[in-house]
Amino acid sequence: AQKVTQAQTEISVVEKEDVTLDCVYETRDTTYYLFWYKQPPSGELVFLIRRNSFDEQNEISGRYSWNFQKSTSSFNFTITASQVVDSAVYFCALSEPNSGGGADGLTFGKGTHLIIQP
Amino acid sequence: DVKVTQSSRYLVKRTGEKVFLECVQDMDHENMFWYRQDPGLGLRLIYFSYDVKMKEKGDIPEGYSVSREKKERFSLILESASTNQTSMYLCASSLIGRGAGASGNTIYFGEGSWLTVV
Repeated sequence: AQKVTQAQTEISVVEKEDVTLDCVYETRDTTYYLFWYKQPPSGELVFLIRRNSFDEQNEISGRYSWNFQKSTSSFNFTITASQVVDSAVYFCALSEPNSGGGADGLTFGKGTHLIIQP
Repeated sequence: DVKVTQSSRYLVKRTGEKVFLECVQDMDHENMFWYRQDPGLGLRLIYFSYDVKMKEKGDIPEGYSVSREKKERFSLILESASTNQTSMYLCASSLIGRGAGASGNTIYFGEGSWLTVV
């Protein structure tokens, strides 16, 4: 079973719409970390946010917001008033200090391709 | 800001050639990583290094080797390139920890190198 599931392979919305990217994770650890990265067409993975398992406060950064809910093992990402420049592939990732998920303890979801149409 | 620089953005190599992908980071990070990214497969870890001259296999090390002679530089080597190694390769770095995921440290990525083996 996937440890990080991004069920939405591709989302297409019109500019200025709000859009939420889903991320569901699976872990047995009580201490873990969650990340979101953005990959624009240029290819670079850009770090957006890091959240540890003890901090369930939602975070807002400009038009970006993140909703972390341990009860549902979800770490969803919302873009408000989307813009064409938001078009990219977005990856959710889980790090588990004490168990698998890759040799470096980090597991990526398969990504969601977000298309913002003008 | 963290800067991870990959020397080549686009390469085309012939089957059987020896290929070097170079990566340099300027933040004095102990950990460095090489991932490959393929459609439908997401990011997969090839090798990582947590110190100079140290290396550990990732999830898909076959056909690759690495070199870390200096802290800031991590090279990926394809001893004899094959067509199934056509991919995008991403270098990354992070602060110390048993792999970035284990410590929850943020991984910072380079722009990626698109390798085509013909």
